[in-house]
Amino acid sequence: GDSVTQMEGPVTLSEEAFLTINCTYTATGYPSLFWYVQYPGEGLQLLLKATKADDKGSNKGFEATYRKETTSFHLEKGSVQVSDSAVYFCALRLTGTASKLTFGTGTRLQVTL
Amino acid sequence: GAVVSQHPSWVICKSGTSVKIECRSLDFQATTMFWYRQFPKQSLMLMATSNEGSKATYEQGVEKDKFLINHASLTLSTLTVTSAHPEDSSFYICSARVPGGAGDTQYFGPGTRLTVL
Repeated sequence: GDSVTQMEGPVTLSEEAFLTINCTYTATGYPSLFWYVQYPGEGLQLLLKATKADDKGSNKGFEATYRKETTSFHLEKGSVQVSDSAVYFCALRLTGTASKLTFGTGTRLQVTL
Repeated sequence: GAVVSQHPSWVICKSGTSVKIECRSLDFQATTMFWYRQFPKQSLMLMATSNEGSKATYEQGVEKDKFLINHASLTLSTLTVTSAHPEDSSFYICSARVPGGAGDTQYFGPGTRLTVL
């Protein structure tokens, strides 16, 4: 079945460090790919998305490129801030599945001064 | 952006009792809402899809008689955990789909933590 695999956390970085959170997927069709972020005490928020191969999603300094050949959608940011501390979820949605999302397990990011 | 609220944010109940969790879309109407369950260190698992005015669609393995879903209005869906047991303790999250939204966006509530003693 369809699945999403994320690197286990927590990931602890110093402010201004480079961030990579790995995400790979398994899908029978051609999924859309998403990154959601959950700040403490809040609901998941869509961070970025890509709907087809080679698309790059970007938002708030974060970016991820849809790599069909490696079935990956790794999240990157060049310089993290303390305010980026949150849990990040990678997810996929198959076309025509009525918005059903399949999530990874989430990766907690902790950024320190 | 669109806001989804959940109530309560946490609840503790005794085994055998029923608990109702509300999910509201505050500034938009949602014909479709989703209910997820999240165990510690695990991914969100879709439990059911709730459509306004019709019966919910449950995912395989989810007991529809145990997890009652009602979507009586375009801004409110409720999840009732009936005859709760300790194994039902979990984090329950709802989301609401924005009709016609670009890219078919879902907006998530902050979640409800249920603890069954």
